[in-house]
This record gives sequence, C-alpha cells and structure tokens, in this order.
Amino acid sequence: DVVMTQSPLSLPVTLGQPASISCRSSQSLVHSDGTTYFSWFQQRPGQSPRRLIYRVSNRDSGVPDRFSGSGSGTDFTLKISRVEAEDVGVYYCFQGTHWPLTFGQGTKVEMK
Amino acid sequence: EVQLLESGGGLVQPGGSLRLSCAASGFTFSSRDMSWVRQAPGKGPEWVSTIGGSGIGTNYADSVKGRFTVSRDNANNMVYLHMNGLRADDTAVYYCAKDRWLGVWGKGTTVTVSS
Repeated sequence: DVVMTQSPLSLPVTLGQPASISCRSSQSLVHSDGTTYFSWFQQRPGQSPRRLIYRVSNRDSGVPDRFSGSGSGTDFTLKISRVEAEDVGVYYCFQGTHWPLTFGQGTKVEMK
Repeated sequence: EVQLLESGGGLVQPGGSLRLSCAASGFTFSSRDMSWVRQAPGKGPEWVSTIGGSGIGTNYADSVKGRFTVSRDNANNMVYLHMNGLRADDTAVYYCAKDRWLGVWGKGTTVTVSS
C-alpha cells in the first residue's frame, strides 16, 4: 500500500500569515496514463471532508485562491497564502493513483 | 449542483449486517465511479470501496474485502454498500463520494457496531 506521510501533524497559525503543509508518498503517484492523482482535503469541525485541490495543483470550484498545491512524484505541498479564521480544521492529503486509495494522517490547523 | 445523500446507518450487533444507500443527483450518474469512505471516531478518513460507472469493476480495502459488497442502480442513481460480519472496528461515519478521486462527499451516515 502507498503510505502518505504528512508534516507537521499540528500547525498553529496566525491570521493573515502564510502556512504550509507537506505530504510525502512512499512511491511515485504518477499513473500509467501520465496523470498524478494527488489531492488535498479540508475537514472543518463537524463537517464532511471537502476536496480543495485535485491532480496536485487544480483548485476545486469555490475554493479561494489563497490555497495552492504543488509538487510532483512523491513530494507535495499545500500552501495557504494568508490564513483566515475559516481555515481552521484538519487537512488530509490523498492519493488516487494506486489501489488501495490512501490518505495521510492529517494536519490539524489551529489559531495561535 | 451535485448532491449525495447517505442513509441506512444505525446500531448493529457484532456479526450483524447493514445496507447503506446513497442517492445521487446533479450529474450523469452512470458515467462516474462512486466510492465509499469511512471515518472512525477521532480518526482520519479511510477509503472503503469504489465501483465503476457500469457497475462491473469494483475495488475494496483489505479491511472489508469478503465482508462488504458495493453495488449500484443506475436507473435510480443509487449506490449501495452491503456490510456483513460487522465488527466493532467498523464503527464509523460512512460517506458516499463522487468518483475514485472523491470530488464531492455526502454528509455521511453513522454505523455503530456494539452489543
């Protein structure tokens, strides 16, 4: 199975400041079709997870442009350019390239 | 607007069975894979199963293989998760999600396995 390892697991943030989360996979996430099926999800308290980013760097509809994704192969990053109060929650990375599909362990983002 | 609505959760004894349902709307259902993902209390999401648009291809997590079966009814835009041999560690919120890549999630239905 592909192991997804996130860091940090806890991220205290300051309003208006940038924040960054890393995710590393145990093997390349490049599919045989050439696409990298890597995503980021946000889960606010009491809500279902919501996809923010798909195929490494594409924002889902309605996702603010302060969120950006980057990376390739086995190393990926989610950046928030200026943290807002509504960004508090847990963020998960996810790979949809290899069966079984797997998530990272989550990064809890909270206000300092 | 894409909408997914799960139902069928509840309290079941160990060894028991349950069938979860997911009603989908807002997209061409038969052309999309559909997935089930679960989240145990205080834990992260865990992918459970995916079924292809035609209903022929299925994949399962090792933790549920042989006990759970995913199916779909494209005429009524429904996807199901048939769960047998339930164990305490199957206790979770079960979400239905669009695609193999989980583009949209429902609100979930809670399954509790306890005597």
